[in-house]
Amino acid sequence: EPEVTQTPSHQVTQMGQEVILRCVPISNHLYFYWYRQILGQKVEFLVSFYNNEISEKSEIFDDQFSVERPDGSNFTLKIRSTKLEDSAMYFCASSTQDRDGSPLHFGNGTRLTVT
Amino acid sequence: GENVEQHPSTLSVQEGDSAVIKCTYSDSASNYFPWYKQELGKRPQLIIDIRSNVGEKKDQRIAVTLNKTAKHFSLHITETQPEDSAVYFCAASPPRYSGGGADGLTFGKGTHLIIQP
Repeated sequence: EPEVTQTPSHQVTQMGQEVILRCVPISNHLYFYWYRQILGQKVEFLVSFYNNEISEKSEIFDDQFSVERPDGSNFTLKIRSTKLEDSAMYFCASSTQDRDGSPLHFGNGTRLTVT
Repeated sequence: GENVEQHPSTLSVQEGDSAVIKCTYSDSASNYFPWYKQELGKRPQLIIDIRSNVGEKKDQRIAVTLNKTAKHFSLHITETQPEDSAVYFCAASPPRYSGGGADGLTFGKGTHLIIQP
């Protein structure tokens, strides 16, 4: 069964540094997402991406965040100047085009630790 | 925006008994309600989902019910087993309209299900 893959599995960075989290969605999926989960808390929506542009973003997704699909397979999340509170598990997800809702397939996540 | 409330936050049941987790949502336009199971340190995995044109859906020991009028939906697990121990998240999503748009899921806070041997 095809899977969403994410790299790296764990990223440690210093406060103020830039990080790029990488994702390869399932190949025939058209919708891409980033979610984050602070340890022990719920999964929170960050941003959705369709047709090479952001479709929707949450309040969490402020100017320090950006997403990009640099080629036909990768989907990246960039955090420009990391803060301590950015420490979390970041999940990429993808889904097919389904007007009435379709399952999200999550990757295994990148654990970001900001020190 | 959508707001999803989930109860209880922790549920402990004896192996073999049933477990019920309940969620309410606020946006009457939401029409897609998935449930995810997350084991410690792993990704959320879809276990069952329901759309608003259906009141109940069952898959072996797992069932989901939806009450659109009351805006609540529930997960039922029967004959619980140790491997059912995990955190379960409900979620809700409004419809996507033609022409694109990818609305994000709004998740509940999760229920930590503990199966006692």
